Amino acid sequence: GENVEQHPSTLSVQEGDSAVIKCTYSDSASNYFPWYKQELGKRPQLIIDIRSNVGEKKDQRIAVTLNKTAKHFSLHITETQPEDSAVYFCAAAGGTSYGKLTFGQGTILTVHP
Amino acid sequence: EPEVTQTPSHQVTQMGQEVILRCVPISNHLYFYWYRQILGQKVEFLVSFYNNEISEKSEIFDDQFSVERPDGSNFTLKIRSTKLEDSAMYFCASSEDPALNYEQYFGPGTRLTVT
Repeated sequence: GENVEQHPSTLSVQEGDSAVIKCTYSDSASNYFPWYKQELGKRPQLIIDIRSNVGEKKDQRIAVTLNKTAKHFSLHITETQPEDSAVYFCAAAGGTSYGKLTFGQGTILTVHP
Repeated sequence: EPEVTQTPSHQVTQMGQEVILRCVPISNHLYFYWYRQILGQKVEFLVSFYNNEISEKSEIFDDQFSVERPDGSNFTLKIRSTKLEDSAMYFCASSEDPALNYEQYFGPGTRLTVT
């Protein structure tokens, strides 16, 4: 089955800096890659997603890039703000596991004012 | 905006007891999922459900677990005989047909504590 690895496990940045979180996946048939933000005790919330027919997608300060050949995708947050502090999870779906999301281990992002 | 809802928000039970966690998916969604998250760990897939049957289940989803859509709106997860290691946050999610739209909407979760 699919396996998703996520790095780093913790990331600390100063307000205004950029943050980059990276994930790799194992199933070359996966074709959907969402990123979720989870605040303490809350539900995971979708912040951006990308499909395998696209190499990059941007939404204001957030962007995701996908390299299908290398089987990795990354989340980029620019001009970070303290309210960006949360746990971020990448996930993969599609291929042999229709609809099932396989999550990475999560990255604790802390943005210092 | 429609949301997935879950009840209860917190359930405390004794080891060996049965629990039923309830979810109301978004009304026009066809696919339903249960995930769990042990404190401080990643979200793990348990089961997906479509057209009144299980589509896929993980190795976590053993004979102690079952799912049901008892009526047109509820989707339930039953744990027959709870163990200490079942303590976790359980999230329900729903989606349209993944062939059209993969996006899954998560409920607020039920925190299950087994003592």
